[in-house]
Amino acid sequence: SYVLTQPPSLSVAPGQTARVTCEGKDIGYTKVHWYQQKPGQAPLLVVSDGSDRPSGIPERLSASKSVNTATLTINRVEAGDEADYYCQLWDFGSEQRGVFGGGTKLTVL
Amino acid sequence: VQLVQSGGGLIQPGGSVRLDCSVSGFTFHKFAMSWVRQAPGKGLVWVSSIGVSGGTTFHADPVRGRFMTSRDNSKDTVYLQMNDLRVEDTALYYCVKEQYVGGTTYFDAWGQGTPVTVSS
Repeated sequence: SYVLTQPPSLSVAPGQTARVTCEGKDIGYTKVHWYQQKPGQAPLLVVSDGSDRPSGIPERLSASKSVNTATLTINRVEAGDEADYYCQLWDFGSEQRGVFGGGTKLTVL
Repeated sequence: VQLVQSGGGLIQPGGSVRLDCSVSGFTFHKFAMSWVRQAPGKGLVWVSSIGVSGGTTFHADPVRGRFMTSRDNSKDTVYLQMNDLRVEDTALYYCVKEQYVGGTTYFDAWGQGTPVTVSS
């Protein structure tokens, strides 16, 4: 079964690039999705792996994967990008389940 | 697309409560639904999923046998019946619309969240 590990926090200056990582064994062979959650709000899908960009999500946000790591890249970081970011996959094992990473708090300096 | 949740509140340990999620803006009976919870100050945790007809459900290990997920397609509503509640079930519970595309499932619409507090 999958376990997804994210760094608890990340700080980036405005205009720089933020890379939020999500580690898990062999996750590069499945699809990994990303959510943004701002304080007091429900999560928002920002990247759906293998599908079109969700409506309203800027092209500055993109995702990539290697064998054991998925990465959400936010280019030209803005103050409004400050939020918690979660990776997620679906485990199609004998007992299907959704799996989230622990979340990364992105602080814009 | 709207998912409007109700239910929840303050419940004593060992008690029960039902969460309702009424949806609009999409063809409810064509989509599986999930529940996701978030303990205070913590991350997102998937709780359960129900298939389009309601005949298939999956539950996370910590709640299996205590929580039951159901749906009424005639009412465009999904339910989470929570029994034998424990202090560690305290969380904000989100109703979530699943999207199954290309061999994967993700969550493309979320309810506003319903707080459940288990305390004596």
